[in-house]
Amino acid sequence: QKEVEQNSGPLSVPEGAIASLNCTYSDRGSQSFFWYRQYSGKSPELIMSIYSNGDKEDGRFTAQLNKASQYVSLLIRDSQPSDSATYLCAGGVSGGSYIPTFGRGTSLIVHP
Amino acid sequence: DTEVTQTPKHLVMGMTNKKSLKCEQHMGHRAMYWYKQKAKKPPELMFVYSYEKLSINESVPSRFSPECPNSSLLNLHLHALQPEDSALYLCASSLGASTEAFFGQGTRLTVV
Repeated sequence: QKEVEQNSGPLSVPEGAIASLNCTYSDRGSQSFFWYRQYSGKSPELIMSIYSNGDKEDGRFTAQLNKASQYVSLLIRDSQPSDSATYLCAGGVSGGSYIPTFGRGTSLIVHP
Repeated sequence: DTEVTQTPKHLVMGMTNKKSLKCEQHMGHRAMYWYKQKAKKPPELMFVYSYEKLSINESVPSRFSPECPNSSLLNLHLHALQPEDSALYLCASSLGASTEAFFGQGTRLTVV
């Protein structure tokens, strides 16, 4: 049973638009969530972490966490072609142990 | 500095070979992870070390043998691998459980 779910996409947006990426999780005990960006053939790069309900902003990126609805989202403002990558949502699973678990990833394509 | 260093970057090995992957971090992180990633799939957790002790083994075959000689180093010993074990092997570390993990650049393994 998958603990973290993401739509695999691809999500295609025009340059300059807002890209919205979503993730849901099943374990209500999960406390921390992370967004990673992965370019083809490269390793995941951490871009945002979020631990509490609400929004967290860092430059063009905003992470949102809603524990009541069990979803996490990532907004990318003023999308650039260089943002084209796979975005991985990762969450911690409770039950005595923290098991960092990744969603399947969403492929984002930003076209000029 | 959020650097995790993995060596080698590429490895080709035969099914009867024994090889080791190495991972090093000097950030004072106490949790270290091995992941396996196949093409177009998310990273799949293999092992977690916490304070130099193996805390999670995700039912990985015994042909993969992890080792944590000290708090900065993590090894993955490989023996009698199969062609289907060919993948990108990623090492990551985090300050502790439930905190953000940083990935190395990975080792691209090919089993022939």
